[in-house]
Order: sequence, then structure tokens, then C-alpha cells
Amino acid sequence: KAGVTQTPRYLIKTRGQQVTLSCSPISGHRSVSWYQQTPGQGLQFLFEYFSETQRNKGNFPGRFSGRQFSNSRSEMNVSTLELGDSALYLCASNRDSYNEQFFGPGTRLTVL
Amino acid sequence: DQQVKQNSPSLSVQEGRISILNCDYTNSMFDYFLWYKKYPAEGPTFLISISSIKDKNEDGRFTVFLNKSAKHLSLHIVPSQPGDSAVYFCAASPYSGGGADGLTFGKGTHLIIQP
Repeated sequence: KAGVTQTPRYLIKTRGQQVTLSCSPISGHRSVSWYQQTPGQGLQFLFEYFSETQRNKGNFPGRFSGRQFSNSRSEMNVSTLELGDSALYLCASNRDSYNEQFFGPGTRLTVL
Repeated sequence: DQQVKQNSPSLSVQEGRISILNCDYTNSMFDYFLWYKKYPAEGPTFLISISSIKDKNEDGRFTVFLNKSAKHLSLHIVPSQPGDSAVYFCAASPYSGGGADGLTFGKGTHLIIQP
């Protein structure tokens, strides 16, 4: 069974630009969540999508948004990038809210 | 306000000895606790979990202990092996299971197993 895949793995952008990250969950998983990992803050929850609907949202500004498609694939968008957005962005999937999550390898975003 | 705290950023243990990773939480509504392990350039992988109705859960070399009155949990690895060198994240949720809803992570502890 293929795991969670994320593309691209590495990305370099400049301040003010926008970026879109992609996540393909494990087959059969309908819930996709996004996390930001930084050395100072650890793993912070961004949002969760289930059946194309955002079900939960963390404490991040509106520049961070996402969506989920009918095949459960999800994208995350960050607009007007700031230096502080440099982080590892992790995607995780599970069947529903009551199961442990499986994480992808992450996308390393560097904002210059 | 950090609801899940891992106060040791790093821990060094000799191979074959016991590794003890600690985690404290402040939210009394947390009902389910998990440990994740993360290698560089990979996403976290689920290791072991415990429900608040238990005080111990064991899986091979890994045991998690929960002290609800102290709002403290610990992960014991016995014996420690070189492949255990990784960052360990403690996570807590007010709901059963380990889904994203309400899941809060600590900042992680980097475990280094010395040969």
C-alpha cells in the first residue's frame, strides 16, 4: 500500500510570492491534515479536510488556505510569503478522526 | 500557552540502556496520548498510544506510562538501539483515537543513542 506522498519535496520562494503544496493520501483515507514544523514551535496544526470540507482549523492567518478534491488529494496554499513561513510542511491522512494518522515526508519550504 | 511540553530538547543514552522520554500536559480535557518518532527527511511515524483509562501500555521494547494526577506521561525504550536515534514527539487529544481534531504536539525530544 503506497504511503502519503507530498510534492514538491523542496521549494525556494521569495517574500511576497505564493506557493501551492500538494498531498496525496493513502488510498481509502478520507481525512487529510496539514501541519507546520519549525525548530522553535514544533508541530503545529494548520487544518483538516474531510470529504472536501474543512473540518478543523488551527491558529494560522488567512494567508494559509487549503482545499481537498473528490479523490481526497489535498492542496495547501500560502499567499504573500513571509520569512517566518520557512518550515517543513507535513501532510497526514487517516480514514476518519478516530484513527492514528500517517504522515508524508513533508515539503521543505524556504522563503528568502 | 503550550499545552503539551517536552522539556528536554535532547537526550543522550548509551546503547543497551533504558531511554526515558518525558512529556507534561496542562489541559485536563486530554483523553488520549500518542508518541510519534521522526527521522530526518521523513514524516513522523506513529509509535505507541495510551488512553486515559489506562496507566500503562506496552509494545515490544516500548512502554508508555500515564500519570493523570500529575498530568505526566513517559516513554520507556528498553533496551535502546542505534536505530532508535530520532526525534520523538508527544501528542495529546481530547478525543479517543489519534485523528487531527484537537491533536496537540509537543516540540519534540531528540534522542541520541551512543554506541
